[in-house]
Amino acid sequence: NAGVTQTPKFRILKIGQSMTLQCTQDMNHNYMYWYRQDPGMGLKLIYYSVGAGITDKGEVPNGYNVSRSTTEDFPLRLELAAPSQTSVYFCASSYRQDGYTFGSGTRLTVV
Amino acid sequence: GNSVTQMEGPVTLSEEAFLTINCTYTATGYPSLFWYVQYPGEGLQLLLKATKADDKGSNKGFEATYRKETTSFHLEKGSVQVSDSAVYFCALGHPQGGSEKLVFGKGTKLTVNP
Repeated sequence: NAGVTQTPKFRILKIGQSMTLQCTQDMNHNYMYWYRQDPGMGLKLIYYSVGAGITDKGEVPNGYNVSRSTTEDFPLRLELAAPSQTSVYFCASSYRQDGYTFGSGTRLTVV
Repeated sequence: GNSVTQMEGPVTLSEEAFLTINCTYTATGYPSLFWYVQYPGEGLQLLLKATKADDKGSNKGFEATYRKETTSFHLEKGSVQVSDSAVYFCALGHPQGGSEKLVFGKGTKLTVNP
């Protein structure tokens, strides 16, 4: 099993550019999440989804968008990159209350 | 709202030393509690969990007991190894709308020296 797969692993963006962070899971989990991890600040929830076609905002959604057209995929879109979005992004999935399975992360730098 | 507070790091220990990382929480109702571990360059991995008061989670020699009276879930290990060097996150889960969004502490970096 691949678990949760994130691509790319690293990316450098210029201010104002856009990109999509990909996330795919093969565990048939209904619930998927996007977090960002800033140094010394733990993880902050950006968006989450309880199933295909259903998404909702987390703690820090501004500057991001998501979609969930299938159970497997949950891409995160940055439309106008800003330096404040420099971070490590983690996608995760879960089945009910069994705890999360995390991807290996995408390290994004906006310059 | 729900929140998690864990001890500030970094923590540096010698191999075979005893480890405690403190975690306290604020939540309504009866949340689930988790410890995750993050090795360098990797994503977080579930280390252990407890879903109700007095439950003890354990894995790989690590233990934590869900103490509702002190709202705590401290992580312990009797004898740490160099391979335990990582960042440890305490997390609280509260079911909402069928999912369980986790709230994470800031993480505690552990370094174990030979």
